[in-house]
Amino acid sequence: KQEVTQIPAALSVPEGENLVLNCSFTDSAIYNLQWFRQDPGKGLTSLLLIQSSQREQTSGRLNASLDKSSGRSTLYIAASQPGDSATYLCAVQPGGQNFVFGPGTRLSVLP
Amino acid sequence: SQTIHQWPATLVQPVGSPLSLECTVEGTSNPNLYWYRQAAGRGLQLLFYSVGIGQISSEVPQNLSASRPQDRQFILSSKKLLLSDSGFYLCAWRTGMNQETQYFGPGTRLLVL
Repeated sequence: KQEVTQIPAALSVPEGENLVLNCSFTDSAIYNLQWFRQDPGKGLTSLLLIQSSQREQTSGRLNASLDKSSGRSTLYIAASQPGDSATYLCAVQPGGQNFVFGPGTRLSVLP
Repeated sequence: SQTIHQWPATLVQPVGSPLSLECTVEGTSNPNLYWYRQAAGRGLQLLFYSVGIGQISSEVPQNLSASRPQDRQFILSSKKLLLSDSGFYLCAWRTGMNQETQYFGPGTRLLVL
C-alpha cells in the first residue's frame, strides 16, 4: 500500500529565503506526482504535476523534482514571500489508481 | 474554462440528522469525480469516486454514501450524522485516470454537534 509522508510538518522562515519542502513515498511505481497549495479553509490549488517520465517541473519561483528510484520529491520555493504562506500537499498516483495524499507541510513566511 | 462548485460552504448539523452536500462541475464532460474528507490536522482521505453516471466506488466503509445522478453532479449524503463526520469535505474532478491534474472545489466545512 502506497504511503506518503512530508517533512517538515511545519516551517517558518523570514521573507526572501529560499526553502525546500520534502515528500517521500513508499512505492516507486507511480504514474505521476502533484504538488498542491491549500490556504486556510479553502480548497486545493494545483501547483505542479510531474509525470513519471519527467524529473522536474518549474513554474515561476517554484521548482519540483522527482526521483522515483528513491521515492522522493522536493518542492523548491525561491525568494519566499508572505503570500506563499499556506499548507503544501504532495500527492502521488500509483499506476492506474487514485491519488494518495501526504499530510502536508504548513509554511509561514514572516515579513 | 472549467469550474467546480460546492454548497453549502458551511454547515452545522445535530447528531442523527441527515446530510446532503452537492458538487457540480462546469465546462467539461464525463469527468471523474471525487469526494475527500480532511479532518483537522490530518491529510486528505478519499471517500468516494465516480467514473460515470450511476457509478460509485467507495474507498472506506463509513456512515456516508454518494450518488451521481447527472454527468457533472456528485452528491454526498448521510441518513444519520455522527460526531465523527465533522470535517472539511472537498470535491474534485479530473478528465481521466492518468497523467492528468486533479482540480478541487472550495470545500464544505461540516460541524456535527
